[in-house]
Amino acid sequence: DTGVSQDPRHKITKRGQNVTFRCDPISEHNRLYWYRQTLGQGPEFLTYFQNEAQLEKSRLLSDRFSAERPKGSFSTLEIQRTEQGDSAMYLCASSFTAGKDEQYFGPGTRLTVT
Amino acid sequence: GDSVTQMEGPVTLSEEAFLTINCTYTATGYPSLFWYVQYPGEGLQLLLKATKADDKGSNKGFEATYRKETTSFHLEKGSVQVSDSAVYFCALLNTGNQFYFGTGTSLTVIP
Repeated sequence: DTGVSQDPRHKITKRGQNVTFRCDPISEHNRLYWYRQTLGQGPEFLTYFQNEAQLEKSRLLSDRFSAERPKGSFSTLEIQRTEQGDSAMYLCASSFTAGKDEQYFGPGTRLTVT
Repeated sequence: GDSVTQMEGPVTLSEEAFLTINCTYTATGYPSLFWYVQYPGEGLQLLLKATKADDKGSNKGFEATYRKETTSFHLEKGSVQVSDSAVYFCALLNTGNQFYFGTGTSLTVIP
């Protein structure tokens, strides 16, 4: 396995459009996390899944954001009616089981909303 | 709420200098603590971790000790190299399985 992958790596969209990002975690990992990172800041937690169940959502995740992990493998993050403030790097990470295990991060999807 | 505070950068050091990047945390219970590194153009990579008080994490010459009494997890390296230039993030994993990251400290090592 080559690690966590994300697609696309870069996305430029116009304000008001919808965008969808995909994350493929490390295959044996049952937990999957989404983060947002803006310039000069650390990653901010958005949501996470254990298998196909979405267990936690941050208050940062407005109703324009939705995430799915339909079969407990890959995940998608959709942003509807994008705003300029949504411009950021969206990071996906995965980990194996609960507890103290570290997360493995993907390269991120950089979103620019014009 | 839980949070991580780390030393602001940027930090510029000469090669072979001693490095300390301070990190303190606020959390209920007993979180796990991590240092992640982000090299230019790359994703975040785990550098080291400690899961309980007094544990010392170490990797690639970097060390950090989990100090519950001072709620700290300072990163140190005795002799930095140019290849250590990167952004370093301190993070905690709380008992609710949520990660909290610091704002990152940019390190530049000059020859």
